[in-house]
Amino acid sequence: DVKVTQSSRYLVKRTGEKVFLECVQDMDHENMFWYRQDPGLGLRLIYFSYDVKMKEKGDIPEGYSVSREKKERFSLILESASTNQTSMYLCASSSQGRGSDDEQFFGPGTRLTVL
Amino acid sequence: GQNIDQPTEMTATEGAIVQINCTYQTSGFNGLFWYQQHAGEAPTFLSYNVLDGLEEKGRFSSFLSRSKGYSYLLLKELQMKDSASYLCAVSRNTDKLIFGTGTRLQVFP
Repeated sequence: DVKVTQSSRYLVKRTGEKVFLECVQDMDHENMFWYRQDPGLGLRLIYFSYDVKMKEKGDIPEGYSVSREKKERFSLILESASTNQTSMYLCASSSQGRGSDDEQFFGPGTRLTVL
Repeated sequence: GQNIDQPTEMTATEGAIVQINCTYQTSGFNGLFWYQQHAGEAPTFLSYNVLDGLEEKGRFSSFLSRSKGYSYLLLKELQMKDSASYLCAVSRNTDKLIFGTGTRLQVFP
């Protein structure tokens, strides 16, 4: 059964803290994605990765970085958290190579609050 | 640029039929996804249309018109558990999905 897991469901951090959000998939998928979801704005792509050590900027990469050292794991890093990064963060994965035609499987999400 | 529009909220009655529309303007269009997202949960895949026409999958059907930049999701025999947000997403040849803001559907008894 397809599974994408995220390290935390809820996280509270203070402004300026470094935050790590971890995502693991067990489907041997090449592609992994990080989105944030905000009311009225929908899902917005932060970063994505097609392969180990590969990363590409999405639509809103500012203030974020990512790491993909292993195929199954994709980490989102907030170097210095700010209150406008309070959001729901969703990780997703899909199979095959480059291209957006494949169904994406989503993790349960991490609701991050930055105080 | 790209733009995806879908209604913010819709309501319907149990047992009824509801149609959720999605219009889009984008370059390099490949196809269109529909995802369902219950409150506090992850989005889950419903359908993917590449060719014009209607695709039926049980109580749910999805339609695409590439020339009009238009899609709809049709839900029949509505059940209370269909109360959720429905996300329209455009697949492009630039590798990234673009999501609409979602339509929150409330089903009443």
